[in-house]
Amino acid sequence: GQNIDQPTEMTATEGAIVQINCTYQTSGFNGLFWYQQHAGEAPTFLSYNVLDGLEEKGRFSSFLSRSKGYSYLLLKELQMKDSASYLCAVRDMDDKIIFGKGTRLHILP
Amino acid sequence: DVKVTQSSRYLVKRTGEKVFLECVQDMDHENMFWYRQDPGLGLRLIYFSYDVKMKEKGDIPEGYSVSREKKERFSLILESASTNQTSMYLCASRLQGASGTEAFFGQGTRLTVV
Repeated sequence: GQNIDQPTEMTATEGAIVQINCTYQTSGFNGLFWYQQHAGEAPTFLSYNVLDGLEEKGRFSSFLSRSKGYSYLLLKELQMKDSASYLCAVRDMDDKIIFGKGTRLHILP
Repeated sequence: DVKVTQSSRYLVKRTGEKVFLECVQDMDHENMFWYRQDPGLGLRLIYFSYDVKMKEKGDIPEGYSVSREKKERFSLILESASTNQTSMYLCASRLQGASGTEAFFGQGTRLTVV
């Protein structure tokens, strides 16, 4: 079966750093995605990890530990426009992409 | 520029109607997906197609069917719409197997069944 867990909601302050965790238990694993979704819009791609370690892309970084079934998305220098939902998704061995329920991030001024 | 286009942004249908949601991509992607998104439940996979005429059930296929007659088009069919199928429907496509390649999403269809 597939189980992808992430916190439902988080709150952080403008200019700060926030880490959104994702744990997964899936029948097969072929990579992990992070997407951002603003209210009323389609998800947009942030990052993809298939090997263990940290991938950095500007203010956003994503980490993966395959042995622990764990990933996190790190957002630095938070801006008000980062208020959105962040979706963790696993690509399985059949190329299906399964999403967690998403984490709604609130940024306070 | 990459594009996934869904035929309607908003749709209102009556209970019992047959409903077609269309999705077209212009990237020559093999893989296409249909999800529904509901508050508190996230994106749930309804059906997945990895090639023309090929389909696999996702986590919630009941009440839905799909059609993939051409590579660029993936249709979701609600055989007899019910009020519990009121939802946001999202289509996505992706290059098959390629590591690191993202899935691209359409703008979504908000379906209301009355």
